[in-house]
Amino acid sequence: GENVEQHPSTLSVQEGDSAVIKCTYSDSASNYFPWYKQELGKRPQLIIDIRSNVGEKKDQRIAVTLNKTAKHFSLHITETQPEDSAVYFCAAKRGGGNKLTFGTGTQLKVEL
Amino acid sequence: DAGVIQSPRHEVTEMGQEVTLRCKPISGHDYLFWYRQTMMRGLELLIYFNNNVPIDDSGMPEDRFSAKMPNASFSTLKIQPSEPRDSAVYFCASSYGSGNQPQHFGDGTRLSIL
Repeated sequence: GENVEQHPSTLSVQEGDSAVIKCTYSDSASNYFPWYKQELGKRPQLIIDIRSNVGEKKDQRIAVTLNKTAKHFSLHITETQPEDSAVYFCAAKRGGGNKLTFGTGTQLKVEL
Repeated sequence: DAGVIQSPRHEVTEMGQEVTLRCKPISGHDYLFWYRQTMMRGLELLIYFNNNVPIDDSGMPEDRFSAKMPNASFSTLKIQPSEPRDSAVYFCASSYGSGNQPQHFGDGTRLSIL
């Protein structure tokens, strides 16, 4: 089955700096890669997703890049703010199915 | 849109008791997913349904766990008998269509088995 690895497990940045979280996946048939943000005690919320026919997608301060050859994708957050502090999960879905496999999460802390 | 609705939000019960978690997906969504989240194992898919039919239950830990979806607007996850190691946050999520559509999560049920 699919295996998704996520790094780093914790990330601390100063407010205004950029943050990058990286994920690798094992199944070359995966074609959908969402990112979720989970604040403490809350539900995971989709923040951005990318499909395999696209190499990069941007939404304001958030961007995701995908390298299908290397089987990795990354989340980039620019101009970080304290409200960006949360756990971020990457996920991958194999084409033809609806099963998401999640990474282990990255605890992002944005310090003032 | 009300989003995915789960109940109860919190459940505390003693080992050996039956536990039933409930989920109402977003209206019109035809896929429903049950996840379990723990510190040790992260976010795990337990089972998912398409048009009320279970498609993949390979994540269900053991026979003590069962899930049903009697209609398009309601699903249950039952644990009988419950054990302390079942303590976790259980999330329900729903999505629409078989393409690459996002899953929307409910607020979860925090389950504690004493």
